[in-house]
Amino acid sequence: DQQVKQNSPSLSVQEGRISILNCDYTNSMFDYFLWYKKYPAEGPTFLISISSIKDKNEDGRFTVFLNKSAKHLSLHIVPSQPGDSAVYFCAASAYNAGNMLTFGGGTRLMVKP
Amino acid sequence: DAGITQSPRYKITETGRQVTLMCHQTWSHSYMFWYRQDLGHGLRLIYYSAAADITDKGEVPDGYVVSRSKTENFPLTLESATRSQTSVYFCASTSAGTANEKLFFGSGTQLSVL
Repeated sequence: DQQVKQNSPSLSVQEGRISILNCDYTNSMFDYFLWYKKYPAEGPTFLISISSIKDKNEDGRFTVFLNKSAKHLSLHIVPSQPGDSAVYFCAASAYNAGNMLTFGGGTRLMVKP
Repeated sequence: DAGITQSPRYKITETGRQVTLMCHQTWSHSYMFWYRQDLGHGLRLIYYSAAADITDKGEVPDGYVVSRSKTENFPLTLESATRSQTSVYFCASTSAGTANEKLFFGSGTQLSVL
């Protein structure tokens, strides 16, 4: 039973527009959330994170929104660039579970020039 | 160069054979992890280690063995490979204090079990 789900396996966006990647979780004990980005033939790299005490965190073109009541988080990329084309993984952790990360299945983002 | 390196990059083996995937990091990070990536499942934790000589099971440990005699190395062994272990394997590390902060991943090992 997947505790972290990314229901859209792929997303295609035009360059310059907004990309919105979604993630849902079921474990109410999760208190820290992260997004990782993965290019082909490379390992994932950390992108942005958010604590459960916040509902928004911004870093340049990347913003993560957290809706705890809906157990939903989203990653917004504005404006999208072709170099953003990658697989994005959502991850979550719970303090009482040793802070081990649980990953979603990933969403492949394609930004078209 | 500093970083986290995995070897081999690609490996083809047969069912029943023993295979060891290597992971080496130069940051002296206390935490190290092994994940496997499968379509639809994302990254699933196999084993992790909080320090040398301390290892623990993750979500999918069956069929795998790990050891950590030195801080910088964390090899993963498939004792008797099965086709279901065909996957991409990622090693990761992070510094002490918390296990969830900004994992640094290697480039992965693509393993095919025939």
